[in-house]
Amino acid sequence: ETGVTQTPRHLVMGMTNKKSLKCEQHLGHNAMYWYKQSAKKPLELMFVYNFKEQTENNSVPSRFSPECPNSSHLFLHLHTLQPEDSALYLCASSQTGESSGNTIYFGEGSWLTVV
Amino acid sequence: GNSVTQMEGPVTLSEEAFLTINCTYTATGYPSLFWYVQYPGEGLQLLLKATKADDKGSNKGFEATYRKETTSFHLEKGSVQVSDSAVYFCALSGVRSQGNLIFGKGTKLSVKP
Repeated sequence: ETGVTQTPRHLVMGMTNKKSLKCEQHLGHNAMYWYKQSAKKPLELMFVYNFKEQTENNSVPSRFSPECPNSSHLFLHLHTLQPEDSALYLCASSQTGESSGNTIYFGEGSWLTVV
Repeated sequence: GNSVTQMEGPVTLSEEAFLTINCTYTATGYPSLFWYVQYPGEGLQLLLKATKADDKGSNKGFEATYRKETTSFHLEKGSVQVSDSAVYFCALSGVRSQGNLIFGKGTKLSVKP
């Protein structure tokens, strides 16, 4: 069983819908991430949060809006998406620091289909 | 900048064959190196890692050695099984120590009985 839980596992939404993906980590980590995995591109880092503060936004369009209310929870709010946004969205967490080895632990992902 | 290059797939092997998936990297500093595996329909799982030169990571019969002189971290397994069919990703840690990883494009492995 993974220490990073994502819901929903599957989501179908129209281009005018507003939906959210949720992620929760039970590992006591201080950093959380959103990655996008699509068939046409390698894994893309979208957002990084360290101690609830966003430290990286990898040129992600504003129709994706992350929220990190505490170090255990991470959301990705979705609004007016495009069909090309259909992908597997992976949440991950890690304990950052020199001695941590920077190992990242992933959730099982949320399959998003935009119609 | 940092980058990871891994061999193009797909790789198709018969059961009990020897597996090598090549991975080379470009990095400043001393990153940690990782192999992740993604089984069909699932997220990524850490397979093994190495944090310094000459370290060997191993798990489930897979091994990879951190070679600084050749900037490589090739994944090997002596005898693959059908259940090893998956996509394998090589990755290195980002230099900003934020914990984010830089991934290769992935290599799909199919093992036939």
